[in-house]
Amino acid sequence: GENVEQHPSTLSVQEGDSAVIKCTYSDSASNYFPWYKQELGKRPQLIIDIRSNVGEKKDQRIAVTLNKTAKHFSLHITETQPEDSAVYFCAASGGTNAGKSTFGDGTTLTVKP
Amino acid sequence: EAQVTQNPRYLITVTGKKLTVTCSQNMNHEYMSWYRQDPGLGLRQIYYSMNVEVTDKGDVPEGYKVSRKEKRNFPLILESPSPNQTSLYFCASSFSARVVGEQYFGPGTRLTVT
Repeated sequence: GENVEQHPSTLSVQEGDSAVIKCTYSDSASNYFPWYKQELGKRPQLIIDIRSNVGEKKDQRIAVTLNKTAKHFSLHITETQPEDSAVYFCAASGGTNAGKSTFGDGTTLTVKP
Repeated sequence: EAQVTQNPRYLITVTGKKLTVTCSQNMNHEYMSWYRQDPGLGLRQIYYSMNVEVTDKGDVPEGYKVSRKEKRNFPLILESPSPNQTSLYFCASSFSARVVGEQYFGPGTRLTVT
């Protein structure tokens, strides 16, 4: 089955700096790679996603890059703000078992004012 | 308002007492799924459903059952709960089962089994 590894598990940055979180996946058939943000006590919410036919996608301060050959994708947050502090999860789906979604273990991002 | 709802939000029960956590969505989504979230382990998929009467196992299905008799509802059943099923449970739905996309999560159900 699919295996998703996410690094780092914790990340602390100064406000205004950039943050990068990386994920690798094992199923080469996976074709959808979302990133979810989960604030303390809240439900996960999608912040950006990318499909396998695209290499990069941007939405204001966040971007995701995908390297299909290497089977890894990354979340980039620029000009971080304290409200970016949360747990971020990557996921991979649409692979060999189309309905399965496999999540990484999460990255706790802390943005210090 | 488009949403996914779960009930109950909090539940404390004892080992072996059958329980059901309900999940309902009002977005006419084909795909629904259950996850459990434990510290340091992310979200692990329990079961998913591609459409009515179609369910399949996720990565951690042991000790759980589901059913999808109607498009909007996807209850999670624990026939004989054990302490290792103490966790935070999320239901989620997505528009299409054929083209995977954004999952909308419910508010979560915190279950404690003593």
